[in-house]
Amino acid sequence: EAQVTQNPRYLITVTGKKLTVTCSQNMNHEYMSWYRQDPGLGLRQIYYSMNVEVTDKGDVPEGYKVSRKEKRNFPLILESPSPNQTSLYFCASGDWGGTDTQYFGPGTRLTVL
Amino acid sequence: AQSVTQPDIHITVSEGASLELRCNYSYGATPYLFWYVQSPGQGLQLLLKYFSGDTLVQGIKGFEAEFKRSQSSFNLRKPSVHWSDAAEYFCAVVSNNNDMRFGAGTRLTVKP
Repeated sequence: EAQVTQNPRYLITVTGKKLTVTCSQNMNHEYMSWYRQDPGLGLRQIYYSMNVEVTDKGDVPEGYKVSRKEKRNFPLILESPSPNQTSLYFCASGDWGGTDTQYFGPGTRLTVL
Repeated sequence: AQSVTQPDIHITVSEGASLELRCNYSYGATPYLFWYVQSPGQGLQLLLKYFSGDTLVQGIKGFEAEFKRSQSSFNLRKPSVHWSDAAEYFCAVVSNNNDMRFGAGTRLTVKP
């Protein structure tokens, strides 16, 4: 089944404790992206990647890192999480770029205490 | 940078009634426009998209949207709403450099 998977689905952590949210897609898509969703703000793009070893900042990249060492994986790293990073995070992938249809993962709800 | 405005935070319609969700965008060049739907507790699913050509776009689940360049709008419509359409709807615009911006969303409630 074609899908985007994220792990963990739920995470509660404390300020300053490094964490990684994994994202994997099995559709051989070139493009992958991370978003955060906050009430009243919709989805905001954090980082995106057009291909392996190519990443670019989105609208709200501060406090986040990403890497794209393999085509299928695009982990989101929070080196020192803060409470304002409490949010619902979505990973997405698309065949050839942001202008293509994006397929979204189920989301990761992160709480930073 | 491009931006999207969805003026209606919440809309309530009766089952069987028609629906129109508004979306206005700001972008200097020809935009790539999308409508996505998010059911409770789910990720987003693409309803339809516009790149070029016919300004009336048909999507899944009986939805359509019309691109109006003169009004910088891309409103979503459905002639007869079903209870299963209750969800949150997001309009999005993508620039040529793949930078994607979403609107804040419109939550749709369907009354029996």
